[in-house]
Amino acid sequence: GAVVSQHPSWVICKSGTSVKIECRSLDFQATTMFWYRQFPKQSLMLMATSNEGSKATYEQGVEKDKFLINHASLTLSTLTVTSAHPEDSSFYICSAPSGRGRNSPLHFGNGTRLTVT
Amino acid sequence: DAKTTQPPSMDCAEGRAANLPCNHSTISGNEYVYWYRQIHSQGPQYIIHGLKNNETNEMASLIITEDRKSSTLILPHATLRDTAVYYCIVRVRGTASKLTFGTGTRLQVTL
Repeated sequence: GAVVSQHPSWVICKSGTSVKIECRSLDFQATTMFWYRQFPKQSLMLMATSNEGSKATYEQGVEKDKFLINHASLTLSTLTVTSAHPEDSSFYICSAPSGRGRNSPLHFGNGTRLTVT
Repeated sequence: DAKTTQPPSMDCAEGRAANLPCNHSTISGNEYVYWYRQIHSQGPQYIIHGLKNNETNEMASLIITEDRKSSTLILPHATLRDTAVYYCIVRVRGTASKLTFGTGTRLQVTL
């Protein structure tokens, strides 16, 4: 089945530093990828839609200058949390449609747990 | 996307069928019903989706009412590993269409 790989699975960083999270589609190409964030005991919230070859589309309230998204190829999207602060600590999850047909389901990575100290 | 309503939690005995309901009374004709589950500290896992016909795969069955205003996900023989939060989501047709998650149903499978 379609596999989405995320790296790293967890990261701890100091306040003020930047962290890059990678999302790869392993056996299919994805022109679109989605980035979600999940705080403890809450549901997933869509942050942005990553588009290969064009700018990402951000959801209302998500700072595009803080959460930089680069969809470098048809199999790789990256999310960089710039100048991270403790309130950015969260579970970040990417997803991509598997591409097998117009109604192919989204498949998710296993997430990256970010802790900012 | 149409909103969905699910019970916040359910219990099920291991080996029994787990029937998880979902209301989506404002669903549009071009929206599919998707089910995902999330086991603690993992990314969501796709289970099944459908438009208007009942669907079955190796994981579950999806029963959609004739008026499409509600659906039921059935796990025929629940195991402890099925303990998770189950999300019912309606999604517009198209691969670039996003998923909007609600609060889901926390299913606890017990011995």
